[in-house]
Amino acid sequence: QKEVEQDPGPLSVPEGAIVSLNCTYSNSAFQYFMWYRQYSRKGPELLMYTYSSGNKEDGRFTAQVDKSSKYISLFIRDSQPSDSATYLCAMIAYSSASKIIFGSGTRLSIRP
Amino acid sequence: SAVISQKPSRDICQRGTSLTIQCQVDSQVTMMFWYRQQPGQSLTLIATANQGSEATYESGFVIDKFPISRPNLTFSTLTVSNMSPEDSSIYLCSVAPPDSGNTIYFGEGSWLTVV
Repeated sequence: QKEVEQDPGPLSVPEGAIVSLNCTYSNSAFQYFMWYRQYSRKGPELLMYTYSSGNKEDGRFTAQVDKSSKYISLFIRDSQPSDSATYLCAMIAYSSASKIIFGSGTRLSIRP
Repeated sequence: SAVISQKPSRDICQRGTSLTIQCQVDSQVTMMFWYRQQPGQSLTLIATANQGSEATYESGFVIDKFPISRPNLTFSTLTVSNMSPEDSSIYLCSVAPPDSGNTIYFGEGSWLTVV
């Protein structure tokens, strides 16, 4: 069993829809949770970072962490074609960036 | 955050040759990392580049194949040696700035195609 599971998609939704991207994990020691966005043939860009259960909002993006269920989500409101990318979840168990674990990525396409 | 520049951004390489990728950061950082991302796959950590000491390699990666230099706190290189088509990937430099809160930032990546 992988430490981090992420639905690879592809996920296709119409412009303006609310998108929900999800990851589950097995290691209860994970404390820090990130979401990265990666456009085709580019490096991943950090979108959201959180270290506690609950919600964190940044513009159209909301990151949700449920440590009791070992489940994290990224919600995108009013989705735009420019949101079309691969989204990677990532998490760290220890206070060391060298121990970051990435999900496999979900490919998202927003239809105009 | 940090601004990370990688060179080359892409290259087409002949089988059996070696290529060195450069990574320049706009601030001093202790930890620099090299990742590989094969087509359609997630990120795999190759090694952690430490200034003033040898790099620490992950399981499945060896220094002879992926030698790394880290001459100072803002620069590192990764060499992909004796390349084969299986080495065709995006190679990504990343850093963990002191104020990053345990997260990392990535360069734009170097897209290598081995023919």
